[in-house]
Amino acid sequence: AQTVTQSQPEMSVQEAETVTLSCTYDTSESDYYLFWYKQPPSRQMILVIRQEAYKQQNATENRFSVNFQKAAKSFSLKISDSQLGDAAMYFCATKTSYDKVIFGPGTSLSVIP
Amino acid sequence: NAGVTQTPKFQVLKTGQSMTLQCAQDMNHEYMSWYRQDPGMGLRLIHYSVGAGITDQGEVPNGYNVSRSTTEDFPLRLLSAAPSQTSVYFCASSPARNRGPGYGYTFGSGTRLTVV
Repeated sequence: AQTVTQSQPEMSVQEAETVTLSCTYDTSESDYYLFWYKQPPSRQMILVIRQEAYKQQNATENRFSVNFQKAAKSFSLKISDSQLGDAAMYFCATKTSYDKVIFGPGTSLSVIP
Repeated sequence: NAGVTQTPKFQVLKTGQSMTLQCAQDMNHEYMSWYRQDPGMGLRLIHYSVGAGITDQGEVPNGYNVSRSTTEDFPLRLLSAAPSQTSVYFCASSPARNRGPGYGYTFGSGTRLTVV
């Protein structure tokens, strides 16, 4: 079974600083994908970044990057130069060969001006 | 605009009533799913479909039915609403694996359902 754990219910960061959100997962599959989604107060779910498990290189999208540790089943999100618009709920998710996407409980990120 | 359309956006039901949450996508996506979002629990998968005529259960399927008669539509039915089904419901879709297995989901804007 797939499970996703986010151990930080809430985090805060000063504007322009860097913050890292943690995620661990468990799956018996060898072929899977990992995602981070952002949910601002508007409630819309926005895909932030994706990572293929077979790729060793960590994914990067502008100010967002991941630290993917496959053996440890860890997939953390680093947000650099934090902006007020980054304040949101962040969800980690896995997708396996059966294409079910399972989400973690989320981390609420506050950005302090 | 192309995307996932959910209706209604808000709904209040009385215990025991039935209703259907509508979901439609115009991106020709094969995969569609329904999630419910509750505080502190993230998004939990209710049912999903990998194509027309094919559906399967997710993590929390009890009390919900789905069908997929066309590629575009994936309605979620509540047969006899209970207060425990008060939640925000999201529909999502993605292309099939042979068109890019790394695609994440495109989400609808959600339906806030309250059962009293």
